[in-house]
This record gives sequence, C-alpha cells and structure tokens, in this order.
Amino acid sequence: DSGVTQTPKHLITATGQRVTLRCSPRSGDLSVYWYQQSLDQGLQFLIQYYNGEERAKGNILERFSAQQFPDLHSELNLSSLELGDSALYFCASSVGGQTSSGNTIYFGEGSWLTVV
Amino acid sequence: GESVGLHLPTLSVQEGDNSIINCAYSNSASDYFIWYKQESGKGPQFIIDIRSNMDKRQGQRVTVLLNKTVKHLSLQIAATQPGDSAVYFCAHRPSSGGYNKLIFGAGTRLAVHP
Repeated sequence: DSGVTQTPKHLITATGQRVTLRCSPRSGDLSVYWYQQSLDQGLQFLIQYYNGEERAKGNILERFSAQQFPDLHSELNLSSLELGDSALYFCASSVGGQTSSGNTIYFGEGSWLTVV
Repeated sequence: GESVGLHLPTLSVQEGDNSIINCAYSNSASDYFIWYKQESGKGPQFIIDIRSNMDKRQGQRVTVLLNKTVKHLSLQIAATQPGDSAVYFCAHRPSSGGYNKLIFGAGTRLAVHP
C-alpha cells in the first residue's frame, strides 16, 4: 500500500458526461500528480500541484481540469467525455515539488474510467 | 523529440535466473531516471532511481546501470522470483519543460516461470 488513496476505483459513464476523480496523497506529501494510462498511449503525465498551486502541466486536454485543496487532496475533473478518454487514471504524490532523487513519487491504485 | 523506449516488450525467465530489462532514451540531457514495477491491477511501484552523475546503483536484488554514451538504461534483477512477474517501466526527467514530470517508456512484461 503506497498510502495514496484514489476514489472511485471503477467508474462507467456515458459520452458527453462529466466525472470527478478524487485523490488523497500520502500523509505529509505536498505534491500531487495525475497520470493517464491507456493501452495505446502508455503512462502520460497530465498535471502536478504543489501545496495548492499548479506546478507543471503535461498532456492534459482542455476538457480536463484539476485542483488541489487546502487539505492537500486533489480532484481531477473530466468533462464532455469521449470514448477515447477510457483509461486508468493514476494519482501520485511526493513530499517535494521537484522530480528528483530523494523525492520519490508514490502512485495510487488508480481509477478505472470506462466511457460508453 | 523526447522518448523513452524499451528493447523487449516481453521477457520470460526461469525462477532463480537473473533478469535484465533494457531501456533506451533519446534526450541526452536527461538527468534523472527511475524504474517502476506495475503488477496487474495495481499502480506503479517505485523500485530504484539513478541520477545522471552515476553509472550504477544497487538496491535489494536490483541494480540499475546507466550508460550515458549510448543513452541506455538497464534494470538487473538477481535471482528472479515469481513475485517479480510484472510490467516494468523506465522513466526519465526531461531537461526541458520543467523538472516536475516524468516521461515513461512503453513497459516490458517480465514473466517468471517455475
């Protein structure tokens, strides 16, 4: 158990809908990262928050947004869902804000999103 | 462009043998590399990392080797066990676009046979 908690574990929704994925980082971690894992794209970095502020942005679509709250939990909002958004969405956390040795990034178990 | 790739998509080994998983990267300025293990139905699990100022780093039953000349990274697992069966990802931190994201390779599946 990495200590990163994600909910829901599984989610099925229809095209055009909006969903929210939730993440609680490990105790003491200030950074939260979101990754998308699909069969054809592999693990793709979406976005990172550090202590409530956006720190880095990756391949995140405009239909997607995220935020980190004062209690450090984070939410990833996916809207106008398309079939291609079906994937496993991982949240990860680390103590610091920079990817480096000593600042290990721990992943949660993921949220399976199926868009039908 | 930047990429991290793997030479072999699937590696089958006998229990007790040593395993070597390879990874090539294209960004010669990358300065930090990580290996993750992902078991079925679980999230990636950190195994070991190495900075570009090192050639080798050892952990418990695992060794990571970095050859910056040919931009090659490898993960060696000693005395492979059935519990090592998983998909292994290499990842690197690109030198541009911010220090706060990792680029993952496609993954290699390691199958350990008794």
